[in-house]
Amino acid sequence: DAKTTQPPSMDCAEGRAANLPCNHSTISGNEYVYWYRQIHSQGPQYIIHGLKNNETNEMASLIITEDRKSSTLILPHATLRDTAVYYCIVRVATSSGSARQLTFGSGTQLTVLP
Amino acid sequence: DTGVSQDPRHKITKRGQNVTFRCDPISEHNRLYWYRQTLGQGPEFLTYFQNEAQLEKSRLLSDRFSAERPKGSFSTLEIQHTEQGDSAMYLCASSYGTARQETQYFGPGTRLLVL
Repeated sequence: DAKTTQPPSMDCAEGRAANLPCNHSTISGNEYVYWYRQIHSQGPQYIIHGLKNNETNEMASLIITEDRKSSTLILPHATLRDTAVYYCIVRVATSSGSARQLTFGSGTQLTVLP
Repeated sequence: DTGVSQDPRHKITKRGQNVTFRCDPISEHNRLYWYRQTLGQGPEFLTYFQNEAQLEKSRLLSDRFSAERPKGSFSTLEIQHTEQGDSAMYLCASSYGTARQETQYFGPGTRLLVL
């Protein structure tokens, strides 16, 4: 799986949009971009994933650049409960029984400020 | 609640003791994963089951670790002769669907402290 690079920390004002960047310059054509977050002492929570098109769900939007070398997770109206470590993960989609695990990096600590 | 559940949530043990953790995946999820997370780090993959078959094991899974999923439903992770370095959060995740659409859902984790 391709390696990802994220800033170690970011702050965001409550009610504002939080834009979390991720670089994945070595991504290949069959690799998806996944975002998870982990609130302190809890298990990781799935947010969203995509291949090349922008995606939106009830939690967030995922914007993937045309060359797929970077992406941005957007939380449109951040709340204090969005304070968490956010992980950007690139994972190959394979029909085989192996190589399905997620490889987590260090993530970005997002702090939403009141 | 129909999410992934793990038991116990916390475990304190003495070095050298054996411990066993249980994971109940989301109903009908055929894939189950175990991860380990130490303080300040992201989760690291340990092992993966598809139904009852253990298909992949990380080099992190030493001989003291064993995982089972006997009927393709719940899974157990046992650590024998625990060491202080085993202190960590042990996370379970389950998933289903095609490789392209697979999403792993995590449980709350079991936090292990080895004294």
